[in-house]
Amino acid sequence: DQQVKQNSPSLSVQEGRISILNCDYTNSMFDYFLWYKKYPAEGPTFLISISSIKDKNEDGRFTVFLNKSAKHLSLHIVPSQPGDSAVYFCAARIEKLTFGTGTRLTIIP
Amino acid sequence: KAGVTQTPRYLIKTRGQQVTLSCSPISGHRSVSWYQQTPGQGLQFLFEYFSETQRNKGNFPGRFSGRQFSNSRSEMNVSTLELGDSALYLCASSLAAQGAGNTIYFGEGSWLTVV
Repeated sequence: DQQVKQNSPSLSVQEGRISILNCDYTNSMFDYFLWYKKYPAEGPTFLISISSIKDKNEDGRFTVFLNKSAKHLSLHIVPSQPGDSAVYFCAARIEKLTFGTGTRLTIIP
Repeated sequence: KAGVTQTPRYLIKTRGQQVTLSCSPISGHRSVSWYQQTPGQGLQFLFEYFSETQRNKGNFPGRFSGRQFSNSRSEMNVSTLELGDSALYLCASSLAAQGAGNTIYFGEGSWLTVV
């Protein structure tokens, strides 16, 4: 039972444009959401998070949006840079973090 | 400040053998969690330890076990290895237990190949 879903396995975006990564969840009890970025041969690194009581959180080029009624989370990266090419995982928490399957983002120079 | 350290980074084992992976958390962190990553499956939660006690366990068979020591270092063990156990095993640490709202920080992982 996949409670956190990232339906797009891959995404390609032109450098300088906006990258939008999506994540859907099924459990309305999740109270905290996070995004992690993973380069090959490295562990995931924390990017940004949002509490369920908020609908938006910004950190530099990264913004996370939460739509609780739709059970939908998105990560916006603007402007996209070549170094953003990586696999992005969303995660949701009740007592523990449940991760999605990841989206491979490729930034085209 | 040193990050999460996992050893060994790479290892190859034969079916039926057992393996032990080690994780040293960030200094001061008391929670250690283990995840398995396989292609197309994302990060699957194995278990979490906090203050030497297992707090949560994922849906893995009993062949997967772990423990945490008084210095917060953790080990996970997989017995009777199967080909499907080939994966990247990630350890993550946090100040308090995952349910307390802390961000978890990952190590670089241990790549296990079962042949």
